[in-house]
Amino acid sequence: DTGVSQDPRHKITKRGQNVTFRCDPISEHNRLYWYRQTLGQGPEFLTYFQNEAQLEKSRLLSDRFSAERPKGSFSTLEIQRTEQGDSAMYLCASSLVSVTDTQYFGPGTRLTVL
Amino acid sequence: AQTVTQSQPEMSVQEAETVTLSCTYDTSESNYYLFWYKQPPSRQMILVIRQEAYKQQNATENRFSVNFQKAAKSFSLKISDSQLGDTAMYFCAFMKSGNFNKFYFGSGTKLNVKP
Repeated sequence: DTGVSQDPRHKITKRGQNVTFRCDPISEHNRLYWYRQTLGQGPEFLTYFQNEAQLEKSRLLSDRFSAERPKGSFSTLEIQRTEQGDSAMYLCASSLVSVTDTQYFGPGTRLTVL
Repeated sequence: AQTVTQSQPEMSVQEAETVTLSCTYDTSESNYYLFWYKQPPSRQMILVIRQEAYKQQNATENRFSVNFQKAAKSFSLKISDSQLGDTAMYFCAFMKSGNFNKFYFGSGTKLNVKP
């Protein structure tokens, strides 16, 4: 079990640029989640996938955000035309469908928009 | 909507002592799960302990235990024999049973364990 991995760990970009983050879940997990965490706050839910299907999106996920999980394995989160308010830690988590559905988190991608 | 409140932004404890972190939540649901996650500095968040709301018995994992008061909607975490490695942000989280897609997190408590 190698855990949830995310790439890159840090990203600095200029306002208006597009960025893409990758998440690799624990291999047998069929659910994958994206969260955003700003300084001093707990994570906020963005979206989640069961296998390749995106089943729910938060209102936080504006039209500039898109997430995919094309083969039900890794997932990407793209932010278009980044804004300074997008600066945050983006966390990915995965879980296996079960009674408790405990989520296991990756190390996160810290995005800084200049 | 579910809300989770952690009223202690920061706490300190001496090594080997016991500390209790508070968490309250607001929900109209009767079946749900509660979690405590630990986020060490610059490291990923890991699960500390989990409680099913239908269970009256408080969950325990080694030095970590919870005091779950369903009627009061309170879910505190007790850390016994605190160790330097316990220094981290601690987040309380709520998940509605059957809605396995969304955690609601509190704002966290920063715990400093002092030697």
